[in-house]
Amino acid sequence: DGGITQSPKYLFRKEGQNVTLSCEQNLNHDAMYWYRQDPGQGLRLIYYSQIVNDFQKGDIAEGYSVSREKKESFPLTVTSAQKNPTAFYLCATGQSGSNQPQHFGDGTRLSIL
Amino acid sequence: GDSVTQMEGPVTLSEEAFLTINCTYTATGYPSLFWYVQYPGEGLQLLLKATKADDKGSNKGFEATYRKETTSFHLEKGSVQVSDSAVYFCALSDRGAQKLVFGQGTRLTINP
Repeated sequence: DGGITQSPKYLFRKEGQNVTLSCEQNLNHDAMYWYRQDPGQGLRLIYYSQIVNDFQKGDIAEGYSVSREKKESFPLTVTSAQKNPTAFYLCATGQSGSNQPQHFGDGTRLSIL
Repeated sequence: GDSVTQMEGPVTLSEEAFLTINCTYTATGYPSLFWYVQYPGEGLQLLLKATKADDKGSNKGFEATYRKETTSFHLEKGSVQVSDSAVYFCALSDRGAQKLVFGQGTRLTINP
């Protein structure tokens, strides 16, 4: 089946630790996105990538890093510099063309121990 | 910059009631408009979309019409079901960077 796989579903981080969230897609979409969702709030864009080996900061990139070495994969690292990392993280993909919707994974919930 | 404003929730209705969730937008140019739905603990699913003025998107009994004159894209359903309980997000596309701008979401609860 075509889709977006985010792993793990739940993740726990200790203070001062970096953690990496995985996002893999087999939809052959060029663009990939990372969003953060806090309780009762909308989605805020962290980073996005429109082609391999290129990515741009979104609205809340501080404390996060990404890489795009393969078309299928767009991992997100939450660094120790992110002081409030507890949130629901959503990965999305999209095709070229501004009238195309984005497709979302099932998310990773990150909590601090 | 571009922005989306949604009706504040939560919204609670009885089964078979009529639903309207208001959405207005501010954008330069002519964005595409989307409604997404999020069920508990899951990601977002595309519910419907409209790409130009006066287009009507529809799916699963939900409808929304792209109104350029009022910069609105209100979501409607004639008779809601308990299974429609979810969070609904209105969004527009930023054509230049192919990014989506989301509203804050509206939580809908349908009681039997």
